[in-house]
Amino acid sequence: AQKITQTQPGMFVQEKEAVTLDCTYDTSDPSYGLFWYKQPSSGEMIFLIYQGSYDQQNATEGRYSLNFQKARKSANLVISASQLGDSAMYFCAMREGGTNYGGATNKLIFGTGTLLAVQP
Amino acid sequence: NAGVTQTPKFQVLKTGQSMTLQCAQDMNHEYMSWYRQDPGMGLRLIHYSVGAGITDQGEVPNGYNVSRSTTEDFPLRLLSAAPSQTSVYFCASSPARAWGNQPQHFGDGTRLSIL
Repeated sequence: AQKITQTQPGMFVQEKEAVTLDCTYDTSDPSYGLFWYKQPSSGEMIFLIYQGSYDQQNATEGRYSLNFQKARKSANLVISASQLGDSAMYFCAMREGGTNYGGATNKLIFGTGTLLAVQP
Repeated sequence: NAGVTQTPKFQVLKTGQSMTLQCAQDMNHEYMSWYRQDPGMGLRLIHYSVGAGITDQGEVPNGYNVSRSTTEDFPLRLLSAAPSQTSVYFCASSPARAWGNQPQHFGDGTRLSIL
């Protein structure tokens, strides 16, 4: 069965330091996509970064990068140079199907989230 | 540039009352879905729709009904509210046939309390 596991309920990081948020997943589908969303205290869900199962390189978006280790079924989010505004809940999510070949519906399975607190 | 609009933002109900949470999107997305977010459990899919007239159940559909008469709107109905349905509800939309990095676009959520 599809499953996303985030084992870190909460983390602290000093401002300007890098932080890694862990995400492992389980699926039997060879085609899948992995997403990270940020949820600040205001409550909205903000899309950060995407990694497809057939992508050869790790995804990067500004200060966000995804450490994708397919054999280990992990998709950790790395935030470089943390800022106070990065304090939020972070969710890892998976969609089965729909990478290079399309055809999937956009159903997402979410992890339980990691609450990140950036300290000055 | 509205995106996904949810109303109301907050609601308090008594057990047994009925309620419809509204969701509208202006991006011509075929796919729409409802999630609920509970502490420590992440977001769980309630119902989804891949187009007008087509709906299907997600992970936690019991106690909720949906319909999709137009591309733009996807209301979620609680026919007889129960305290276990106290949660934050999110509506999301995207193109139906997911391709690559097409994320779901989320509304701002509806915080629902049932007493």
